[in-house]
Amino acid sequence: EAGVAQSPRYKIIEKRQSVAFWCNPISGHATLYWYQQILGQGPKLLIQFQNNGVVDDSQLPKDRFSAERLKGVDSTLKIQPAKLEDSAVYLCASSLVGGGYRFTEAFFGQGTRLTVV
Amino acid sequence: DQQVKQNSPSLSVQEGRISILNCDYTNSMFDYFLWYKKYPAEGPTFLISISSIKDKNEDGRFTVFLNKSAKHLSLHIVPSQPGDSAVYFCAARRSGSARQLTFGSGTQLTVLP
Repeated sequence: EAGVAQSPRYKIIEKRQSVAFWCNPISGHATLYWYQQILGQGPKLLIQFQNNGVVDDSQLPKDRFSAERLKGVDSTLKIQPAKLEDSAVYLCASSLVGGGYRFTEAFFGQGTRLTVV
Repeated sequence: DQQVKQNSPSLSVQEGRISILNCDYTNSMFDYFLWYKKYPAEGPTFLISISSIKDKNEDGRFTVFLNKSAKHLSLHIVPSQPGDSAVYFCAARRSGSARQLTFGSGTQLTVLP
């Protein structure tokens, strides 16, 4: 079974530039997550999609971050303009379902390491 | 507001001995607790979980214990192997419609040969 695919693996940009990350979840997974992991910290949820609808984006800095999941499959996360503090690993994850009582774990991609200089 | 805390940034254990990784939480609305393992340059991989209605779950060398009254869980690895050296994240799933995962800051486990 193919895992969660993310690209690019690494990106270096100057502050105030824009950047976009792409994620292709595991086939059939309805729920997709974007996490931000700053060095020395655990992953922090930015946004959660159920199919192509947003379930939770309460921690997404909406003045500069945006995300979309067209057709309920692939997703892109954009930062515009980037700040120095956005330097982090951006992880995409997917799971079969996010709601309901049945437990299903989230599967993570390798992440995109962003460095803002 | 750190709802999931891993107070030990690092742990070193001799090969063959037991590794115990600890995690504390503050939110009573968590219904599942998970452990993820992360190697450098890779995404976290799911290791083991436990429902809030259980106090123990075992999978091979890995056992997770949950103490709800103390809001504490621990991961035991017995026997520890050098390949277990990785960062271990404790995570908790909030009950409700969205069921978000909240992660701790991780513990770097080093198993010495």
